[in-house]
Amino acid sequence: EVQLLDSGGGLVQPGGSRRLSCGASGFTFRTYAMSWVRQAPGKGLEWVSSISGRGDKTYYADSVKGRFTISRDNSRNTLSLQMNSLRAADTAVYYCAKEKDSSGWWDYWGQGTLVTVSS
Amino acid sequence: EIVLTQSPGTLSLSPGERATLSCRASQTVTKNNLAWYQQKPGQAPRLLIYGASNRAIDIPDRFSGSGSGTDFTLTISRLEPDDFAVYHCQQYSSTPLTFGGGTKVEIK
Repeated sequence: EVQLLDSGGGLVQPGGSRRLSCGASGFTFRTYAMSWVRQAPGKGLEWVSSISGRGDKTYYADSVKGRFTISRDNSRNTLSLQMNSLRAADTAVYYCAKEKDSSGWWDYWGQGTLVTVSS
Repeated sequence: EIVLTQSPGTLSLSPGERATLSCRASQTVTKNNLAWYQQKPGQAPRLLIYGASNRAIDIPDRFSGSGSGTDFTLTISRLEPDDFAVYHCQQYSSTPLTFGGGTKVEIK
């Protein structure tokens, strides 16, 4: 059974940093691209970042480029998102998601972790 | 960037009725690279449809997707109580990957 467990959310001050993690199990992690997708309170879904299975290719939304860094540790089946220079607009539930065959859509999602940026 | 517009914003229907949800793209979504997700309050999205018309694993056949180019539709043939939720379309034809604003299907 595929499982994705998001963690690392919490309250952060504007300008601060936070690192999110996603532990994966039930599939061959290194084989699949992974992504982060977020959802601001009461709003729609927004793609944030994706990384290839080997970790050699990364992609970012313009809204986070230069501030967020996606990475993965295939030896530990873990996906990470380092978030720096956080803004109030970054407040959201962050979901990690498994991409199906590097296709650009996601067949499994984590339960989400809430990041609140506020003073 | 491909902008997806979903309509209506809210659909009020009764169990057993047919639901028709629209997703319109600002430019052509190539190769029918469009997915639909269902999301219930406090839960993560769940994949329903990929490739515009292919049902994901374990998705009941009352859910169907259709369309091409810039106009796509998700149809729920007969609403069951478990189907009342928010539905999101998503294009993966080009980056940035984008979602529509969602359609809420609520009980009338």
